[in-house]
Amino acid sequence: EAEVAQSPRYKITEKSQAVAFWCDPISGHATLYWYRQILGQGPELLVQFQDESVVDDSQLPKDRFSAERLKGVDSTLKIQPAELGDSAMYLCASSRDRNNGNTIYFGEGSWLTVV
Amino acid sequence: ILNVEQSPQSLHVQEGDSTNFTCSFPSSNFYALHWYRWETAKSPEALFVMTLNGDEKKKGRISATLNTKEGYSYLYIKGSQPEDSATYLCASADNYGQNFVFGPGTRLSVLP
Repeated sequence: EAEVAQSPRYKITEKSQAVAFWCDPISGHATLYWYRQILGQGPELLVQFQDESVVDDSQLPKDRFSAERLKGVDSTLKIQPAELGDSAMYLCASSRDRNNGNTIYFGEGSWLTVV
Repeated sequence: ILNVEQSPQSLHVQEGDSTNFTCSFPSSNFYALHWYRWETAKSPEALFVMTLNGDEKKKGRISATLNTKEGYSYLYIKGSQPEDSATYLCASADNYGQNFVFGPGTRLSVLP
């Protein structure tokens, strides 16, 4: 069964350093999502792509976070500089298209600890 | 931004018990409600996508109902097993095309 691939699974970084996460969605999925999940809360959408275009980044802290999906396939989420409050799980997900009735498939997530 | 709530926050049940929990969402302009199961160290797994008022879906021992007029969905697990231990997330979307908003989840522990 096709899966959403993410790396790294775990990352420890020092405050003020840069960190990047990579995601490869299910082949053929046009829509890609990056979520952040803090313990005890539900996943919060950071950015949504439709093919290579950003369709929603209203919750992305743009002063330090950036995301790209240059060829409309895999995607990178970057944080620079990292802050202590960025410690969380970063989940990537994909779906066939933007229809909210479609199933969203998640990767296993990337745990970030900022020290 | 939609406000999606889930209750209880956590619960512990004995193996063999049946259980249920609730997802509450705004009923106005409802479009879709999703349920996910998230086991530790794994990716969230989609259980159900529900769109119609009165909809009821079933997958093995797990079933869900949807009431879009009053804005709630129930997830039922019949005869809980230890492997059912997970966090159960619901997510709701409105028909303005707003992205899903997830609830905080219900953490279920099934004790052998």
